[in-house]
Amino acid sequence: GQNIDQPTEMTATEGAIVQINCTYQTSGFNGLFWYQQHAGEAPTFLSYNVLDGLEEKGRFSSFLSRSKGYSYLLLKELQMKDSASYLCAVKDSNYQLIWGAGTKLIIKP
Amino acid sequence: ETGVTQTPRHLVMGMTNKKSLKCEQHLGHNAMYWYKQSAKKPLELMFVYSLEERVENNSVPSRFSPECPNSSHLFLHLHTLQPEDSALYLCASSQDYGGASDTQYFGPGTRLTVL
Repeated sequence: GQNIDQPTEMTATEGAIVQINCTYQTSGFNGLFWYQQHAGEAPTFLSYNVLDGLEEKGRFSSFLSRSKGYSYLLLKELQMKDSASYLCAVKDSNYQLIWGAGTKLIIKP
Repeated sequence: ETGVTQTPRHLVMGMTNKKSLKCEQHLGHNAMYWYKQSAKKPLELMFVYSLEERVENNSVPSRFSPECPNSSHLFLHLHTLQPEDSALYLCASSQDYGGASDTQYFGPGTRLTVL
């Protein structure tokens, strides 16, 4: 079966750095997406990785290793507004998005 | 209005009621999706429409009935729901269906409670 694993919940301190991991086992791979979802709001697109390596976008970076079936989202200089759930999703060989259950990130002052 | 909008934002209904959820996208996209989001579970894809034709129906109970009258609008008709259907129902759209890098853009969802 297809599976996406990410931690259920993480806590970090304002101003610090946090890394949210995602491991996947899917039938084929056509890219990995990260979304941010604040409570009661729409998931919003953060990043898309299809090649190995690190993609940086301001305070957020996303890393992919296809050989290891592994990705992480790195958030720097954490702000209170970064408190949200972070969803990892992989497009399989049929271009279907397979979703993880999300990681709830709690930022403390 | 910009992006993807959904109405109503909240809905409480009895098991014998009939209601409809509405989604509208203002992005000029060709594909639209319905998802169910339950607490601490992955998003569940329910239906996909591409160019107004249904392309996916992932074993969804018949008490959920989708409708796509044009490429900008998507409805989810609900009837005789069960309490376990209580969840956040999200609509999304993407430029096309089936592309590797096609990004899905989501609406804010309808929080449904079935009594």
